[in-house]
Amino acid sequence: LAKITQPISMDSYEGQEVNITCSHNNIATNDYITWYQQFPSQGPRFIIQGYKTKVTNEVASLFIPADRKSSTLSLPRVSLSDTAVYYCLVGDDNNNDMRFGAGTRLTVKP
Amino acid sequence: EAEVAQSPRYKITEKSQAVAFWCDPISGHATLYWYRQILGQGPELLVQFQDESVVDDSQLPKDRFSAERLKGVDSTLKIQPAELGDSAMYLCASSYTTGRVGYTFGSGTRLTVV
Repeated sequence: LAKITQPISMDSYEGQEVNITCSHNNIATNDYITWYQQFPSQGPRFIIQGYKTKVTNEVASLFIPADRKSSTLSLPRVSLSDTAVYYCLVGDDNNNDMRFGAGTRLTVKP
Repeated sequence: EAEVAQSPRYKITEKSQAVAFWCDPISGHATLYWYRQILGQGPELLVQFQDESVVDDSQLPKDRFSAERLKGVDSTLKIQPAELGDSAMYLCASSYTTGRVGYTFGSGTRLTVV
């Protein structure tokens, strides 16, 4: 099992870029990295997923260095509605044993 | 966009009573998961199904919790008897078994035991 470490909380202001880093030192060769967003009283929602280098979609970018022992979720120009908890998960494409950590609570201020 | 359906959305029950939650995964998703999320913490995996079979229930408190997925489609999670410490959000998620990584979660059932 990959041990996952994320900052407990982060603060930002509207319009800024936010980078949340996740450490997963013992990631396995077949593992992918997935980020979820969760608002209060809702289930986690998929944001982005990657294996190596950089992945970008309409809401975020994911940067993964060559050793894959960490990953950084980048949210461009955050707004108040991006205030949520962000979870980093590591798992293979059999979707077994994927476990959540405590997540990073992002607070965006006006 | 396909969704994982869960019901009820909210449930209040008295201690020692029985309670049940229902989940209908996305069509075509053979793998189904139940998670429990205590306020302020990340979701904790309770049980994972592959079709109708349990793959992992190592974190399920089997003295009071049970889960079934009889026809390999929808699933029910039951607690009997409920305890005060069971108050939490119960989340269901589903995924393809292989070849595509990641889950889709339902909106959850918020359980309050009084």
